[in-house]
Amino acid sequence: DIQMTQSPSSLSASVGDRVTITCQASQDISNYLNWYQQKPGKAPKLLIYDASNLETGVPSRFSGSGSGTDFTFTISSLQPEDIATYYCQQYDNLPPVTFGGGTKVEIK
Amino acid sequence: EVQLVESGGGLVQPGGSLRLSCAASGFTFSSYWMSWVRQAPGKGLEWVANIKQDGSEKYYVDSVKGRFTISRDNAKNSLYLQMNSLRAEDTAVYYCARECRGYYDSSGYYITTRYFDYWGQGTLVTVSS
Repeated sequence: DIQMTQSPSSLSASVGDRVTITCQASQDISNYLNWYQQKPGKAPKLLIYDASNLETGVPSRFSGSGSGTDFTFTISSLQPEDIATYYCQQYDNLPPVTFGGGTKVEIK
Repeated sequence: EVQLVESGGGLVQPGGSLRLSCAASGFTFSSYWMSWVRQAPGKGLEWVANIKQDGSEKYYVDSVKGRFTISRDNAKNSLYLQMNSLRAEDTAVYYCARECRGYYDSSGYYITTRYFDYWGQGTLVTVSS
């Protein structure tokens, strides 16, 4: 199975800061990488699909990039409502899909 | 509006069984792959199983193979997860999720993909004596 290593596991930043999260796959996954946001007590929400495509309705301060094994998720200007845990998720031709361990984002 | 509503969770003893349900509305249920994803308390997300539109293909994470069975009833717009021989490590919130398997890009080309675009609110399964 493909392993996803996400870092950092947590971070604290100020409102307006640029926040970057990375996800590394254990093998080449092309652009088969999605990003989700999960707020406490809520279901995950899709933000980015296929590494860099912004889901409809998601604010443009969220972005994703990368291909192969190394991917980056960025919040260009952190807002109070962005407090959440963020997960990367890879998919391949065959199951299983796997998620990264998550990054908890807090306000400093 | 797309809605997925899970039910059937609860407290069960180790070795016991439970059947989860997910009622879908607001979209053509029979046109989509569907998945179950779980999250143990304070932990990350783990995909559990998925099923093709007509039920002809089913896949499972290794840890539940032989114990869990995913099924669907397209006439009732419902997804199910039969969980047998439950273990303490199966304790989690179980989400049903719709899978998007493709879309048309701005040039009109069909792009195959796989992401979970809608999720239910989850149902908690606790395995404990």
